[in-house]
Amino acid sequence: SAVISQKPSRDICQRGTSLTIQCQVDSQVTMMFWYRQQPGQSLTLIATANQGSEATYESGFVIDKFPISRPNLTFSTLTVSNMSPEDSSIYLCSVEGRGSNEQYFGPGTRLTVT
Amino acid sequence: AQSVTQLGSHVSVSEGALVLLRCNYSSSVPPYLFWYVQYPNQGLQLLLKYTSAATLVKGINGFEAEFKKSETSFHLTKPSAHMSDAAEYFCAVSGNFGNEKLTFGTGTRLTIIP
Repeated sequence: SAVISQKPSRDICQRGTSLTIQCQVDSQVTMMFWYRQQPGQSLTLIATANQGSEATYESGFVIDKFPISRPNLTFSTLTVSNMSPEDSSIYLCSVEGRGSNEQYFGPGTRLTVT
Repeated sequence: AQSVTQLGSHVSVSEGALVLLRCNYSSSVPPYLFWYVQYPNQGLQLLLKYTSAATLVKGINGFEAEFKKSETSFHLTKPSAHMSDAAEYFCAVSGNFGNEKLTFGTGTRLTIIP
């Protein structure tokens, strides 16, 4: 399985500001995913990020609010823009495993917006 | 489209007792099914997966799950609970084609009673 790291691990931010979350993988992967996990809830897919193409966003998520970069096969960033308290969540990145659609997850970034 | 339903948002068992976490799926195509575990303040770890081979799947930490097509179920079991099993457990489903996204259930919080 891949080793995935995220930075920062947690942050407290003021409303109206933006935060960029980094996801680093120890091997080259084609597909990376970004999820949101609101307090006490399950995971919701924000977008799929393939290297060399624009990210594909799920219903309810837009690029202006959650811009994503994928500059190479081992790295991606997710920006949470113009934050409000409703954006307080854990944000997780994941990468595809070896077939069978399994995914491996990073440790998450715990964001609190005040 | 695929979906999973996890019955019971909270399950408590005594240490040494049987663990049974329920997951029912809905899928328009043959599914791939997964169980993930999330320990406090951590990302998700893959416990086991079903990919249309053996219907009884063994995973890490003594967990196993059985795929029952007739019941559209993929329940997670462990014969003897350990204190370290206390965590949140998520069932997930995807279609059986490559590059398909995962759809997660709402999760079951497992508490172990000493």
